[in-house]
This record gives sequence, C-alpha cells and structure tokens, in this order.
Amino acid sequence: AQSVTQLGSHVSVSEGALVLLRCNYSSSVPPYLFWYVQYPNQGLQLLLKYTTGATLVKGINGFEAEFKKSETSFHLTKPSAHMSDAAEYFCAVTHEGGKLIFGQGTELSVKP
Amino acid sequence: GAVVSQHPSRVICKSGTSVKIECRSLDFQATTMFWYRQFPKQSLMLMATSNEGSKATYEQGVEKDKFLINHASLTLSTLTVTSAHPEDSSFYICSARPRGPGANVLTFGAGSRLTVL
Repeated sequence: AQSVTQLGSHVSVSEGALVLLRCNYSSSVPPYLFWYVQYPNQGLQLLLKYTTGATLVKGINGFEAEFKKSETSFHLTKPSAHMSDAAEYFCAVTHEGGKLIFGQGTELSVKP
Repeated sequence: GAVVSQHPSRVICKSGTSVKIECRSLDFQATTMFWYRQFPKQSLMLMATSNEGSKATYEQGVEKDKFLINHASLTLSTLTVTSAHPEDSSFYICSARPRGPGANVLTFGAGSRLTVL
C-alpha cells in the first residue's frame, strides 16, 4: 500500500520568502511522486513530477522538488514566494499502473 | 497539452433527483478515468476507477448503486449521482490517464460542484 503525509495543513510566508512544503511518502514499490496545485473551486494543475532519473525536478512557476529515497521525502520548494502562489498544494504518490493517492493538502498563504 | 473537460461545473438539484456529470478527454484517449470527491478544506478521496468498456472498480465504502459510473468510450466517462441527498453535496473531480507515453501523469478536470437542496 502507498500513502502520503503532508506536514502542516497550513503554511504562511511573506512575499519574497522561501516556500517549503513538506511531503513524506510510504511505498513498497518504486514510487512516482507528484505535486499539484488547486485554486479555489478549480481542478488540479500539475506542478511537477518525479518518475525516474534526476532526483531534483523542476516544475512550473519556479517550483522544484527533490526526491530523497533515504528520507522517503519529496518536499516542494520555491526560492521566492509570490502573492499568486497562494493556493492549496497536494502531494501525491502512485506506481506503474497504480492509483493516485493524495496527501491531506497544505494551504499556502502569502503575506504582502 | 492534454485537456480534460468536465461538465457541468456547477449543478443544484432537489433531493431525490439524479445528476449526471461528464468527463471528456479532449485531445487524447484515456485508458482509465478516475473519479474523486472532495469535501471543503479536505483532500481528494478516490471514489472509483473506470476502464473503457468494463465495470468500474469502487473504493471501499463507496456505494456503487448511488454513484453510477459509465465509461463508454476512450474519451468519455460519466458519473451519475442517483437519488441525490444533501449529504451528497460535494466537489467531484475526474481525471484521465492517457494511453502511451505519459501514462503515469493524470490530467484533471476542473471539477463539478454539486449542491443538493
């Protein structure tokens, strides 16, 4: 079975500050890991993904994440937060041909 | 890029009626479509997995007679909430898995907000 834990249901940063959203996973098979963003009353938009290869993956809007197998983590970062980054962020895990399982979500607030 | 269209985006219905939500992959064929339910301020909970031409696989605790899923073609899946009640009010989101390259990346619809009066 696979699972995802996102530490912190709510994160608040100042505009221009570093964004760090934490995600830890559990998987008995090689995982595929994703970060999605959701704006109010909208669907999900893929930010970035890790399947195989380079463990540091870059996504849209300046976000990146690093797959650390030894720590079973896939934390999302952005060097400088923008007001438009305020949204709900979901980490998700799957495997080849498997179901996509989501974490609980982290609401990011950005203060001016 | 891959686009999934979900319709309607909002629907309000009376208790006891049935509501159908459509999920279409616009520019690719989807071997599998997934239906999720999301309560306010909560994560997405997988309801069922549907494969074209076969019966949907429901997650534990999801009533298959309440939530009817049809996947008649490689580009269309429908979710019908039968005899809807206020507790069925929720945000329903579909996603589609393409065939071929990129099969592990799902594309999500914009969601459908159901309000049952």
